[in-house]
Amino acid sequence: AQSVAQPEDQVNVAEGNPLTVKCTYSVSGNPYLFWYVQYPNRGLQFLLKYITGDNLVKGSYGFEAEFNKSQTSFHLKKPSALVSDSALYFCAVRPMNYGGSQGNLIFGKGTKLSVKP
Amino acid sequence: DVKVTQSSRYLVKRTGEKVFLECVQDMDHENMFWYRQDPGLGLRLIYFSYDVKMKEKGDIPEGYSVSREKKERFSLILESASTNQTSMYLCASRRAGGRPDTQYFGPGTRLTVL
Repeated sequence: AQSVAQPEDQVNVAEGNPLTVKCTYSVSGNPYLFWYVQYPNRGLQFLLKYITGDNLVKGSYGFEAEFNKSQTSFHLKKPSALVSDSALYFCAVRPMNYGGSQGNLIFGKGTKLSVKP
Repeated sequence: DVKVTQSSRYLVKRTGEKVFLECVQDMDHENMFWYRQDPGLGLRLIYFSYDVKMKEKGDIPEGYSVSREKKERFSLILESASTNQTSMYLCASRRAGGRPDTQYFGPGTRLTVL
């Protein structure tokens, strides 16, 4: 079965320190990968996506993510965390070359990021 | 700027009531989606629609139905609301095509069924 795992329910980071939010996936074939962020009582906002090409993808608000095919991972990173980065982060995957219902996004369960001053 | 709107941010209904959640997008997207979000479970797909009058069941369609009479509008219907349908409901839309285009989400509707 195709799936996405976010192994940490919560990540705590001090402001100014680097942060990593982990994501691993299991899909048939090559994946398209996404990160979304959700601030309290809001919908999901798109952060970045990996389609093809350079394994390091840069997105909004200074976030980046690295696609690692051998480890089937797509971890979200930021060099210096801000208190305003505190939110719920979702990783999502879509199998490449699939249409219809098989082409829909599969979401992880989310990781709560807490950045303390 | 892309925009997906949902008719209500907060909704309180009683068990057995028929509930309509409305979603409108202004991006001329073909695909639209309804998810529910619950703590520890992430986002689960209820229904999606490829185009007008087209719909397909997602992972958890039981107790729900949908309607897509116009391209910009996708409605989620709870025929007889139950307490286990208390949740955050998120609508999303996406342009159709071979490349995976980004899904854009609405602000969500937090539904409480008493």
